[in-house]
Amino acid sequence: NAGVTQTPKFQVLKTGQSMTLQCAQDMNHNSMYWYRQDPGMGLRLIYYSASEGTTDKGEVPNGYNVSRLNKREFSLRLESAAPSQTSVYFCASSERTLGYEQYFGPGTRLTVT
Amino acid sequence: AQKVTQAQTEISVVEKEDVTLDCVYETRDTTYYLFWYKQPPSGELVFLIRRNSFDEQNEISGRYSWNFQKSTSSFNFTITASQVVDSAVYFCALTLWADRGSTLGRLYFGRGTQLTVWP
Repeated sequence: NAGVTQTPKFQVLKTGQSMTLQCAQDMNHNSMYWYRQDPGMGLRLIYYSASEGTTDKGEVPNGYNVSRLNKREFSLRLESAAPSQTSVYFCASSERTLGYEQYFGPGTRLTVT
Repeated sequence: AQKVTQAQTEISVVEKEDVTLDCVYETRDTTYYLFWYKQPPSGELVFLIRRNSFDEQNEISGRYSWNFQKSTSSFNFTITASQVVDSAVYFCALTLWADRGSTLGRLYFGRGTQLTVWP
């Protein structure tokens, strides 16, 4: 099992460009999440999907959109990248939403110039 | 509101020393889960332990042990006989059992403690 996979691993964008971060899990988990990690800030939730077909905003959703393509895949889109979105992005999944540990992907390091 | 505080930003120890990472949490809910994650220099987040609010029994796994005390709202993590491979950022996190109108299933993370173990 690969667990949670993310592509790409690294990306450099110019201000205003768009891109989609891909995430897939092979653990048959129902819930999936997108976080961003900034120095000294811990991880902050951007969007989550409690189950296939549903998505909801997290703590810092502005500037992002998500798609739960199927049970396995959950993508994060930046429509018009800004330097403030320079961060490391982590996708995670869990069996259920309430009380279960989340398993994280390897992360995507995004730089917006 | 939920909050997790890891007051120790950085800790340095020499190999074979014991080290305790502190975690203090705030919540008004009576049912919740606490977690510890490890982030080694390679960057991935590794799940270490989950503890529910009704289980205050301490847990030991090899050189790792966790002390959960509801009376002080703390969930501390001790590494015994530390090794260089323990060098990482360690995150404590909290999630609620019930949906209180806040983000369902959200993990509330502390800001992390950077542990450096010197040979």
